[in-house]
Amino acid sequence: AQTVTQSQPEMSVQEAETVTLSCTYDTSESDYYLFWYKQPPSRQMILVIRQEAYKQQNATENRFSVNFQKAAKSFSLKISDSQLGDAAMYFCALLPGNTPLVFGKGTRLSVIA
Amino acid sequence: GAGVSQSPSNKVTEKGKDVELRCDPISGHTALYWYRQSLGQGLEFLIYFQGNSAPDKSGLPSDRFSAERTGGSVSTLTIQRTQQEDSAVYLCASSSRQGRTDTQYFGPGTRLTVL
Repeated sequence: AQTVTQSQPEMSVQEAETVTLSCTYDTSESDYYLFWYKQPPSRQMILVIRQEAYKQQNATENRFSVNFQKAAKSFSLKISDSQLGDAAMYFCALLPGNTPLVFGKGTRLSVIA
Repeated sequence: GAGVSQSPSNKVTEKGKDVELRCDPISGHTALYWYRQSLGQGLEFLIYFQGNSAPDKSGLPSDRFSAERTGGSVSTLTIQRTQQEDSAVYLCASSSRQGRTDTQYFGPGTRLTVL
């Protein structure tokens, strides 16, 4: 079975500080993809970052970066210089081969001014 | 269009009625997905269309749920004889490549409330 676990239902961070959201997953596939999506109150799921499992280098997108630990099946998201607009639900998702995308239950991030 | 669009944005219906939810994927995207997001939960896969292939319906929760995709573009998700447990946000996504490995882009969803 493919599973994604986000152990932090809620997190908060001061504006301009750094926060890390945790995600662990389980899959028997050797080739898979991992994603972080952001869902603001508008409900629109927005892609934040994507990581291919075969790549050892951690993906980065501006203020967003991941710590991908394949052996530990861990895929955490680091947000640097947090901004008020970063406040949202964040979902970790696993695409294990030719099967449906599997989502965690999300982490609600609050940014304190 | 510029992104995935869905209509209606919100739908309130009475238990036992049928509803239709519409999704317009990004132009040129061959793959289309439907997901359901219940309150406080992550996204649950419902159905997947890829080009002219038979859809993957493995996520549909009951035979009251069905979906079609006309002309390889617009898709309609139909829920017959709605129940209160069907209340959720229904999200549609599309991606550009064959297979499922490309990034999925989501629409804004339809919030369905069954009274």
